[in-house]
Amino acid sequence: DARVTQTPRHKVTEMGQEVTMRCQPILGHNTVFWYRQTMMQGLELLAYFRNRAPLDDSGMPKDRFSAEMPDATLATLKIQPSEPRDSAVYFCASGLGGEQYFGPGTRLTVT
Amino acid sequence: RKEVEQDPGPFNVPEGATVAFNCTYSNSASQSFFWYRQDCRKEPKLLMSVYSSGNEDGRFTAQLNRASQYISLLIRDSKLSDSATYLCVVNMRNTGGFKTIFGAGTRLFVKA
Repeated sequence: DARVTQTPRHKVTEMGQEVTMRCQPILGHNTVFWYRQTMMQGLELLAYFRNRAPLDDSGMPKDRFSAEMPDATLATLKIQPSEPRDSAVYFCASGLGGEQYFGPGTRLTVT
Repeated sequence: RKEVEQDPGPFNVPEGATVAFNCTYSNSASQSFFWYRQDCRKEPKLLMSVYSSGNEDGRFTAQLNRASQYISLLIRDSKLSDSATYLCVVNMRNTGGFKTIFGAGTRLFVKA
């Protein structure tokens, strides 16, 4: 049963530290998405890739966030420097066509 | 106005009841539609795609009304395990390929 995996599952860090979240999409899927979910904002699309090329990162704060796909089996989302308002659950999803399959998320707390 | 809107609920229904949710979208160029369910502190999971002709999967029926720009989800014979948040998703074409918008979700509580 193919699944999207994400690491770490939980991360607690201090303000100003760099945070890197990783995602392994389902093999064969050509689109990868990064989302952030908070109670206040719901699920927000941060960035997405098709065939490893970034297509839309307009939802991402450019000054501190960056998303990359160094290869087809790995997507990364980095925050540098992190701030308390970045505390949220970050989901990665992969898909083929319109459907998306989500990973379990990384729960980030920035103190 | 939000691009995708849902009644946040909560909907509180007894077991066995039929419940329906609507989701409206503002962009007439929207092309594909889905319903996801999300349990507390879990990731969203695809429930079903929504086709123009309507589609059914067991107790779940999804409908699309392009003229009025809404999609619906009907759950028959509700089970306790149906308690979750239901998210509608709209994909629309843009210059980069397509854009995915999630609704904020409708919470459902099914009571014994």
